[in-house]
Amino acid sequence: AQSVSQHNHHVILSEAASLELGCNYSYGGTVNLFWYVQYPGQHLQLLLKYFSGDPLVKGIKGFEAEFIKSKFSFNLRKPSVQWSDTAEYFCAVKGGNQGGKLIFGQGTELSVKP
Amino acid sequence: EPEVTQTPSHQVTQMGQEVILRCVPISNHLYFYWYRQILGQKVEFLVSFYNNEISEKSEIFDDQFSVERPDGSNFTLKIRSTKLEDSAMYFCASSEAGLARNEQFFGPGTRLTVL
Repeated sequence: AQSVSQHNHHVILSEAASLELGCNYSYGGTVNLFWYVQYPGQHLQLLLKYFSGDPLVKGIKGFEAEFIKSKFSFNLRKPSVQWSDTAEYFCAVKGGNQGGKLIFGQGTELSVKP
Repeated sequence: EPEVTQTPSHQVTQMGQEVILRCVPISNHLYFYWYRQILGQKVEFLVSFYNNEISEKSEIFDDQFSVERPDGSNFTLKIRSTKLEDSAMYFCASSEAGLARNEQFFGPGTRLTVL
């Protein structure tokens, strides 16, 4: 069965610390990978996505993620977090077909202390 | 920037009542979706809709659920006889057609509370 696992439920960091959020997926076939962010009181927004090519993808707000096929992983990173990065982060996978459903991980709540 | 909108933002209903959650997808999008998130749990796929018919549905999407695109702009989710366990945040999303990699844009959600 298709699934996505995020290792950390809640991460607390101080400003300027580096961030890495783990994401592993289980999916047989071509995958498209996404990280979404949900700021407090707001809707889900796309941070970045991977479809093919360079496994290191860069997104908005200084975030990047690396697709490691052999490890079925798509970890999210940011070298230096800010207080405004406080949010919930969701990893998601979608099969390689048009209109396919997103399968989400359980989310990681990030709290950044000023 | 175009966005997906949802109404109402919060719906409170009695168990057994019917509710209709409304969504206005982005105007040039052709794929529409409903997801839900029970408090403290994952965002779960419910249904996808394309060309005026359901293209995929999850096991959650049983006979009490239905979707409709009643006109050129709205996309609705109807729950016929609500249960306590239907209490959740319901998200609508839409995407362009044509490429598997196209992003799904999400609305702000409707919080459904069933009493």
